[in-house]
Amino acid sequence: AQRVTQPEKLLSVFKGAPVELKCNYSYSGSPELFWYVQYSRQRLQLLLRHISRESIKGFTADLNKGETSFHLKKPFAQEEDSAMYYCALDTGRRALTFGSGTRLQVQP
Amino acid sequence: DTEVTQTPKHLVMGMTNKKSLKCEQHMGHRAMYWYKQKAKKPPELMFVYSYEKLSINESVPSRFSPECPNSSLLNLHLHALQPEDSALYLCASSQTGQGTDTQYFGPGTRLTVL
Repeated sequence: AQRVTQPEKLLSVFKGAPVELKCNYSYSGSPELFWYVQYSRQRLQLLLRHISRESIKGFTADLNKGETSFHLKKPFAQEEDSAMYYCALDTGRRALTFGSGTRLQVQP
Repeated sequence: DTEVTQTPKHLVMGMTNKKSLKCEQHMGHRAMYWYKQKAKKPPELMFVYSYEKLSINESVPSRFSPECPNSSLLNLHLHALQPEDSALYLCASSQTGQGTDTQYFGPGTRLTVL
C-alpha cells in the first residue's frame, strides 16, 4: 500500500533562513506527488505538484525516484510562509494519500 | 464561481439524529470527494464520485451515505453516528478525477456527535 511520511511535526526557522520540509513516499509505480498548504483559518489548497515543475511563492520540490523523496524547499523563508504543509500522493486511483503534515513556523 | 462551498459550517448532532452535509461547486468539475479530518491529523479519503458515479468507497461504515444528485452537488447523509465520528468533513472537487488533477477543497463542516 502507498504511504507518505513527513518526519517533522514542527519546523521552526527564522525569517530569511532556508527551509526544507521533508517528504518520503512508498509506492512501486509512478506516483503523482503534491504539496498542499493550509494557512491559518484558510482552506487546504494546492501549493505545487511535481508534474508542473514550477516554483510557487518561491517554493520548489523535486521528485527523486531513487530516494523516493519529494522535499519542499525555499531559499529564504518569509513570515507569511507559516502554515501547515501536507505532502500528498496519488497512485492514479484519483485518491490522495496525505502525509501527517509539518507545521512551519517562521519567526521574525 | 471558483470555490467549493460547504454547509453547514458547524453541526452538532445526537447519536440518534439524521442529518446531511452539503457540498457545491460550479467550476464544471466532474469528480468530487469527501474526506474526514480528525484534530491534528491529515485528511483521510472517504468517497470519490466521478461523473456522478461512486468510484471509491474507502470501507466507510454504512452510517455515512454519500449522494451525488448532479455534477455540482455532493451530499453526505449521516445516521446513527458515534462520538468518534466527530471531525472536520472536507469536500473537494477536481476537473476530471485524473491523478494529475488539482483538488480544490471546501472550508469543511465541523461535526460534533454527542
